[in-house]
Amino acid sequence: AQTVTQSQPEMSVQEAETVTLSCTYDTSENNYYLFWYKQPPSRQMILVIRQEAYKQQNATENRFSVNFQKAAKSFSLKISDSQLGDTAMYFCAFSGNQFYFGTGTSLTVIP
Amino acid sequence: NAGVTQTPKFQVLKTGQSMTLQCAQDMNHEYMSWYRQDPGMGLRLIHYSVGAGITDQGEVPNGYNVSRSTTEDFPLRLLSAAPSQTSVYFCASSYFGSPQETQYFGPGTRLLVL
Repeated sequence: AQTVTQSQPEMSVQEAETVTLSCTYDTSENNYYLFWYKQPPSRQMILVIRQEAYKQQNATENRFSVNFQKAAKSFSLKISDSQLGDTAMYFCAFSGNQFYFGTGTSLTVIP
Repeated sequence: NAGVTQTPKFQVLKTGQSMTLQCAQDMNHEYMSWYRQDPGMGLRLIHYSVGAGITDQGEVPNGYNVSRSTTEDFPLRLLSAAPSQTSVYFCASSYFGSPQETQYFGPGTRLLVL
């Protein structure tokens, strides 16, 4: 069975600084996708970024980028120039035959 | 284009009551799924469907039933509610009959079972 581990339950960062959220996963599959979803207080799940496992190049979306290490089964999210609106719960997710979510990291951006 | 919609937003049930959580999408997505979100446990898959007429169990299916008679709708039924089913429920959909595609989520239904 696939597992997704987020070892940082809570993190904080000063506004305009950079923060990295960690995620590791375990799978025997070779073809899969990895995602980071953001859940603000409104509870809506919002896709932040997606990475295909067969692509070596790390995905980027504006201030958000990932460090994908396939051999180490690591998928961290870097948020640059943190903004107050980035305050949210962040979930790492693995998608092979099914979707599996980590337990989340609560990020607070401090003014 | 409304995306994924869920009703109701909030519901209170008594133990033993039954109810149906509604989910609909207007994006012609083949894959639909139901998750529950509990504190400290992330989202866990309850049931999913890869197309009309096809459903399967996820990680935590006990106490829940689903059916998929149309592409658009994927209701989740609680036959006899229990306090352990107090949770936030999310419906999601994706384009292909595979979960590998990006999933789009509804706004969630908060359920309280007394």
